[in-house]
Amino acid sequence: QKEVEQNSGPLSVPEGAIASLNCTYSDRGSQSFFWYRQYSGKSPELIMSIYSNGDKEDGRFTAQLNKASQYVSLLIRDSQPSDSATYLCAVNEGSSYKLIFGSGTRLLVRP
Amino acid sequence: DAGITQSPRHKVTETGTPVTLRCHQTENHRYMYWYRQDPGHGLRLIHYSYGVKDTDKGEVSDGYSVSRSKTEDFLLTLESATSSQTSVYFCAISGFSGRALDTQYFGPGTRLTVL
Repeated sequence: QKEVEQNSGPLSVPEGAIASLNCTYSDRGSQSFFWYRQYSGKSPELIMSIYSNGDKEDGRFTAQLNKASQYVSLLIRDSQPSDSATYLCAVNEGSSYKLIFGSGTRLLVRP
Repeated sequence: DAGITQSPRHKVTETGTPVTLRCHQTENHRYMYWYRQDPGHGLRLIHYSYGVKDTDKGEVSDGYSVSRSKTEDFLLTLESATSSQTSVYFCAISGFSGRALDTQYFGPGTRLTVL
């Protein structure tokens, strides 16, 4: 069973701090990695995708990928209360377009 | 907005009745997916489609069937609804020209309650 693991949280950080969210995956054949944000009662919204080892930055968000260690992380700089949501990590299954999702990490940003 | 709608948005039904959920897209995406989301389980793939009349099973397909007779519509049918199928159902799409084929965009969801 291919798995994607995330700490369920909640991860609580003060406003302005860096939030660090982590994800590990079991399928060594995975090539595509995604972070989604989901507000309560809403649908998942794509934040970032990453395909190569290293860092990818987009505004306040940085995704980090380490295929050798099979982990993906998301850093949110200058966290805002509006960043409070559940963050879902998703990894493609083998060479397919199917995604396997982690169960999500709940982030709380305290004003 | 990836041009995805789902209907109905909310439904309450009784055990044993058939239920059909509809996903409609306006951007000619090739791939369409149905997921269910339950507390503690995250998003789990039910069925997916890689073209008109081309579908395959996902992780939790028992008790569900799908059909895709045209590019824009992907239907999910619960043949005989059970209380264990109470969930939030999301449709997703991918494969639009100019975007990465593996990047999925989600519809607004359907909240289904089976009594």
